[in-house]
Amino acid sequence: EVHLVESGGRLVRPGGSLRLSCTATGFTFNTYSMSWVRQAPGKGLEWLSYISSISTTIYYADSVKGRFTVSRDNAKNSLYLQMNSLRAEDTAVYYCTRDGRPSDYWGQGTLVTVSS
Amino acid sequence: EIVLTQSPGTLSLSPGERATLSCRASQSLSITYLAWYQQKPGRAPRLLVYGASSRATGIPDRFSSSGSGTDFTLTISRLEPEDFAVYYCQQYGSELMYTFGQGTKLEIK
Repeated sequence: EVHLVESGGRLVRPGGSLRLSCTATGFTFNTYSMSWVRQAPGKGLEWLSYISSISTTIYYADSVKGRFTVSRDNAKNSLYLQMNSLRAEDTAVYYCTRDGRPSDYWGQGTLVTVSS
Repeated sequence: EIVLTQSPGTLSLSPGERATLSCRASQSLSITYLAWYQQKPGRAPRLLVYGASSRATGIPDRFSSSGSGTDFTLTISRLEPEDFAVYYCQQYGSELMYTFGQGTKLEIK
């Protein structure tokens, strides 16, 4: 059974940094692209980033380009999102998804709160 | 960037009725790259249908999608109590920028 578990979300000050992790089980991780999607409190879904199976192709939404960096470690079945220069508007639940075009499996999400 | 606009914002129906949710794209896209998700409060979204006629694993056949060009529809043929939730469309054809619609809340009348 496919499972995605995000971790690393917490309260962080504006301007701070945070690294989210997503651990995948139940499928051959190194054969799937992955994506990050977030959802601000009471709001809709926002796609953030895409990384191909062997990291050769990476895309970002304009809202996070230059501040967020996606990466993966296929040996550890793990996906990461390095978030720098965080702003109040980055407050959201962050989901990792298996991107089988479309996102067919989602983690439960991890909450990032950016506040002073 | 392809913008997806969903309508209505809220749809009030009763169990047993038919639901029709709309997703309009700012430019033409192939239904091959259009997906619909369901989200219940406090839960992660769940993939329902994608492409012209594909349903995700475990999704009942009362859920179907249709459309072409810029206008797409999710149809729930006969509403069950567990179908009341928020629904999102997503286009994933443009790898430079996937986008979601703003969502339609399906509530019990």
